[in-house]
Order: sequence, then C-alpha cells, then structure tokens
Amino acid sequence: DQQVKQNSPSLSVQEGRISILNCDYTNSMFDYFLWYKKYPAEGPTFLISISSIKDKNEDGRFTVFLNKSAKHLSLHIVPSQPGDSAVYFCAASPLTQGGSEKLVFGKGTKLTVNP
Amino acid sequence: GAGVSQTPSNKVTEKGKYVELRCDPISGHTALYWYRQSLGQGPEFLIYFQGTGAADDSGLPNDRFFAVRPEGSVSTLKIQRTERGDSAVYLCASSLISSLAGGRTQYFGPGTRLLVL
Repeated sequence: DQQVKQNSPSLSVQEGRISILNCDYTNSMFDYFLWYKKYPAEGPTFLISISSIKDKNEDGRFTVFLNKSAKHLSLHIVPSQPGDSAVYFCAASPLTQGGSEKLVFGKGTKLTVNP
Repeated sequence: GAGVSQTPSNKVTEKGKYVELRCDPISGHTALYWYRQSLGQGPEFLIYFQGTGAADDSGLPNDRFFAVRPEGSVSTLKIQRTERGDSAVYLCASSLISSLAGGRTQYFGPGTRLLVL
C-alpha cells in the first residue's frame, strides 16, 4: 500500500525547458511535503518543502505546488539545466505534535536534462 | 558547518555476521532518523530518536535490528545475524525540533552501502 506515489519512473527534457515532476499521496494526515534530489552514490539532498497551509512555495528555479483536495503535488524546475539530472524523490510527513515525523517516500523519478 | 556523516561508507560482510553502522548528526539536531533504501525504491523508515530515546521503532523489520543513541548525538544501528536480504543503503537523517519553523526538514547523510554475501 503505497501512500506516496510517483507514477513516472523517468522524465527527459531539453535544457532550458520546464521540468514537471508529479507526486500523489493518499494519507490525509500528511501535512508537510518535501522534494529531495539524489545523485548516484550520494544521500538525498533537500531541495524544497511546502506546508499544507500553503499551495505554492518558490525557491529560485524550483517551485512546488500543492493541491490538497486532489492530494497532489508537483515540482517545477525552470529553466532546466543538465546539472539537474538526478533522481527526484517526493516525501510526506504527518503532523504528530512532537512525535515521530517519519518521512514516507515515493519511488522516485529519474530526470534527464539533455544539453 | 558539517552535515550528517555516516561511517563506514561501504561495508561487505558475510551472512550471519554482526555489523554496526554509525551516524553523526548535524550539531544541535535533536531528532535523528534511520532509513533503508533498496534498489529502485525510495528510502523506508526504520527508527526515530528524539534525544536519547527511541521514540518510534515501528519500521525495524525484526528483532535482529537495534539502534542506540546513548548521549543524544551519535547513533549506531546494529544488525545481528545478517542475511542477504539486509543488503541495502542505510541512510541517517537529522532535524531540529519539529515545532520550529523549518524544523521539520530532515537532512540526510551519504549513507552506508551494506552488502551481505
């Protein structure tokens, strides 16, 4: 029972264009969402996050959109650069008021940005 | 400032042996998490420490797995009688107290790649 789903295992875009990575979740208790980028043989690197009280968060070339009613979030990268090529993981965390806020991850989407 | 560090970076062992994996979190982070990542999957939660105590160990697969954090900083994940199915990347993450703004973001170490032959 996957609570966080990334339905596209891979995505290929041209340098300079927009990359859109999608993520769906099923657990209504999730209230904090994060995107991580992972290069081979390295740990996940935090990219951007969004709280459920917002519907958009922007940081430079990266924007995360949250649609709570659809239980869907997306990561937009504009413009895409070859160095963005990596595996991107969507993760979600439940609100526990001081308890365990373990992250639940999707399986990842491998992004390739072609020069 | 230093990030999360993990040692060793790679560990090869034989089935049935005991292994210890170490995690050194970001200074000042009270929350520490262990995850395991298998090939083609996202990281999966194992155990969570708030300070010295294991506040949530619901992700540990069985009683061969155990973790400690005796002084509230460094943590050690211990695996007894290793099996080939334990082969994976073991990731450690730390975060601030969750109630602070931005405190819920977990920062990961580079992982320990465990191979059980």
